[in-house]
Amino acid sequence: DGGITQSPKYLFRKEGQNVTLSCEQNLNHDAMYWYRQDPGQGLRLIYYSQIVNDFQKGDIAEGYSVSREKKESFPLTVTSAQKNPTAFYLCASNPGGALNEKLFFGSGTQLSVL
Amino acid sequence: KNEVEQSPQNLTAQEGEFITINCSYSVGISALHWLQQHPGGGIVSLFMLSSGKKKHGRLIATINIQEKHSSLHITASHPRDSAVYICAVGGGATNKLIFGTGTLLAVQP
Repeated sequence: DGGITQSPKYLFRKEGQNVTLSCEQNLNHDAMYWYRQDPGQGLRLIYYSQIVNDFQKGDIAEGYSVSREKKESFPLTVTSAQKNPTAFYLCASNPGGALNEKLFFGSGTQLSVL
Repeated sequence: KNEVEQSPQNLTAQEGEFITINCSYSVGISALHWLQQHPGGGIVSLFMLSSGKKKHGRLIATINIQEKHSSLHITASHPRDSAVYICAVGGGATNKLIFGTGTLLAVQP
């Protein structure tokens, strides 16, 4: 079955540590997104990519980095510069990046700080 | 004021009831999405619409572009409908999706 796979489901970060969240899709979609979800707030866009080897900052990119070396993969690194990383992180994709295309989501990663 | 407002924030219903969740927005849009998030966190897209009305099973979504308002209706609600329902609009100056904070629905047997 086609879909988006995020791993791990739960992740713990020590102070000063960088951690990487994995996102893989087999939908052959060009566009991929990373969102952050905090209690009581709407999803906020961290980074997005509409083509391999290219990505753009979203609304809250500070303290995060991404890469898009393969069409299927869009990993997110939460760096030590992100001072409040505890949140639920969702990866999504759609075929071409248009706002009127159906979005497909992964099952999310809960990141907590030790 | 948020660009996307959902109401109510929380909703408890009895099994079989007709449910309405509302979404109002303040920006010009090209599309509106209704999403469902179950406990455990994964999100599923229910509808994408830019005008009129769409129906899928017991779910109906409508949009009024002039009034900048959309509704999601659930007929004959069931406990398995319990989830967070999220409205998101696409368009406006940023050309990105803007998400509402969600409506937490609990359907009791």
